[in-house]
Amino acid sequence: GQQLNQSPQSMFIQEGEDVSMNCTSSSIFNTWLWYKQDPGEGPVLLIALYKAGELTSNGRLTAQFGITRKDSFLNISASIPSDVGIYFCAGNNNAGNMLTFGGGTRLMVKP
Amino acid sequence: DVKVTQSSRYLVKRTGEKVFLECVQDMDHENMFWYRQDPGLGLRLIYFSYDVKMKEKGDIPEGYSVSREKKERFSLILESASTNQTSMYLCASSSPPRGGQETQYFGPGTRLLVL
Repeated sequence: GQQLNQSPQSMFIQEGEDVSMNCTSSSIFNTWLWYKQDPGEGPVLLIALYKAGELTSNGRLTAQFGITRKDSFLNISASIPSDVGIYFCAGNNNAGNMLTFGGGTRLMVKP
Repeated sequence: DVKVTQSSRYLVKRTGEKVFLECVQDMDHENMFWYRQDPGLGLRLIYFSYDVKMKEKGDIPEGYSVSREKKERFSLILESASTNQTSMYLCASSSPPRGGQETQYFGPGTRLLVL
């Protein structure tokens, strides 16, 4: 079952605003991944983090692997309408190849 | 770019029918996964496979079976479809992690409706 707490569950923001969402875990992870899922589509990998403290950007997206290895955040700067979707975090704790997923953050952007 | 494809985007089946969902990846990945996604329940792992002819149960294997005869193809089988198997089914693949660097790539999903 899910062990990652992702927040917020949903956000309704104005176009141009910055967005921040995060995931926390009670256990240590060695990999943090952030995915975006558009309605009716599969999740698409946005950013992969492999080292504690790592800060990685992908265009307007920035994600960080928490130094405690128990959390990660994703920031989106200057949001645009096509940022709408559900964002998932996922982690791997090196116990095999399975990922643990957060519950998702539904982002809605008002033009 | 990694490409994971699923044979159907939408399927409508009747209760009791045998259903095959096919997934193909073109990156020579060893690992393949089947998830289902339901509102409020997130992504739940049904089965996964580390290699050809190998399979492992995930969190919710009941009512499903899988087949991995070729490395690039992983099939999910519903032996006798039931209405509670109406869901979005997602396939994913990955290479073995190095130092815990497990990164899974997803297909576009198959939305299955069982009547």
